[in-house]
Amino acid sequence: AQTVTQSQPEMSVQEAETVTLSCTYDTSESNYYLFWYKQPPSRQMILVIRQEAYKQQNATENRFSVNFQKAAKSFSLKISDSQLGDTAMYFCAFMRTQGGSEKLVFGKGTKLTVNP
Amino acid sequence: ETGVTQTPRHLVMGMTNKKSLKCEQHLGHNAMYWYKQSAKKPLELMFVYNFKEQTENNSVPSRFSPECPNSSHLFLHLHTLQPEDSALYLCASSPPRTGLNTEAFFGQGTRLTVV
Repeated sequence: AQTVTQSQPEMSVQEAETVTLSCTYDTSESNYYLFWYKQPPSRQMILVIRQEAYKQQNATENRFSVNFQKAAKSFSLKISDSQLGDTAMYFCAFMRTQGGSEKLVFGKGTKLTVNP
Repeated sequence: ETGVTQTPRHLVMGMTNKKSLKCEQHLGHNAMYWYKQSAKKPLELMFVYNFKEQTENNSVPSRFSPECPNSSHLFLHLHTLQPEDSALYLCASSPPRTGLNTEAFFGQGTRLTVV
């Protein structure tokens, strides 16, 4: 069974600084998807960034980038130039690419607070 | 706006009531999900449907009864719930996993309170 672990329940960062959220996962699959989702106080779960495991290049989306270490099963999210609107819960998630059912397995989340 | 709509946004029900949560998407996705999000707990997958067929039931109590009449609509029928069932219920949908843009799109959730 796949598991996703986020070891940082809460983090804070000053506006304009950089913060890194950690995520590790466990799977025997060779190809899969990894995601970071953001859930602000409005409750809407929003995709931040996606990585397909067979792609070696780390995904980037504007101020958001990942450090994907497949051998170590690590998938951290770096947020550069943090903004107040980045305050939210951040969830790391895993989805297998084939077999079984499509399901996202989530970590417990990291609550990020960006301070002015 | 993600294209996944959940109704109602808020629901208060007694333990003897019967109610239903509704989710719909017109994104052409094949898979639909129900998740439960309780305070200080991780997101719990409840059910997965793929092309109207249930592919995952994560040992959910029978007082929760899902229904997927077509690929665009998903319901969660509730009856004789307990106070500990109070939570945010999230619906999501996703396209086929072989697509380049695979991701799950979430609705805004239904905040359920059982009194």
